[in-house]
Amino acid sequence: QQQVKQSPQSLIVQKGGISIINCAYENTAFDYFPWYQQFPGKGPALLIAIRPDVSEKKEGRFTISFNKSAKQFSLHIMDSQPGDSATYFCAASRGGYNKLIFGAGTRLAVHP
Amino acid sequence: DVKVTQSSRYLVKRTGEKVFLECVQDMDHENMFWYRQDPGLGLRLIYFSYDVKMKEKGDIPEGYSVSREKKERFSLILESASTNQTSMYLCASSPPAGSNTEAFFGQGTRLTVV
Repeated sequence: QQQVKQSPQSLIVQKGGISIINCAYENTAFDYFPWYQQFPGKGPALLIAIRPDVSEKKEGRFTISFNKSAKQFSLHIMDSQPGDSATYFCAASRGGYNKLIFGAGTRLAVHP
Repeated sequence: DVKVTQSSRYLVKRTGEKVFLECVQDMDHENMFWYRQDPGLGLRLIYFSYDVKMKEKGDIPEGYSVSREKKERFSLILESASTNQTSMYLCASSPPAGSNTEAFFGQGTRLTVV
């Protein structure tokens, strides 16, 4: 049973465009929603995270939008750059030991 | 610079072998995790540890065990390696859940079982 569903599986965007990746979760007890970025040959690294008491968080070109009632959250990358080409994972966890439940990942390619 | 170090980047083992994957963190984190990463499945939690000698099963613990004798070191053990355990294994550490719950990952160990 996949607790966090992520789409699309892959995404191609032109340089300067907006990349949008969506995630949906099932467990309403989740209280922390991070996005991780992974480059080839590297481990995932935290990109941006949100808690359910806010509907949006922005850091530079990266924005998380959070819809608690729909149990969905999304990552928006504005002005996408070739250097953003990577695999992106959404995740969720609830209190306690910070066990992260990950989505299946989205491979983003930004073409020049 | 915080660091999670996995002892091997690549491993090739034979079916039935006992395999040890080692992970060391230098951030004095209480929590440590082992995930496996497979295409189309994302990262799945195998085991985690919240203190020395403490461990709990994750979502896919079958065929694996773990050891945490020191706070900085967390080992994943494949008791009898099988071909379906061919995968990328990622170790991570994090502080206890709170305002800053960032998990830091190692670079991964790509294990091939032949």
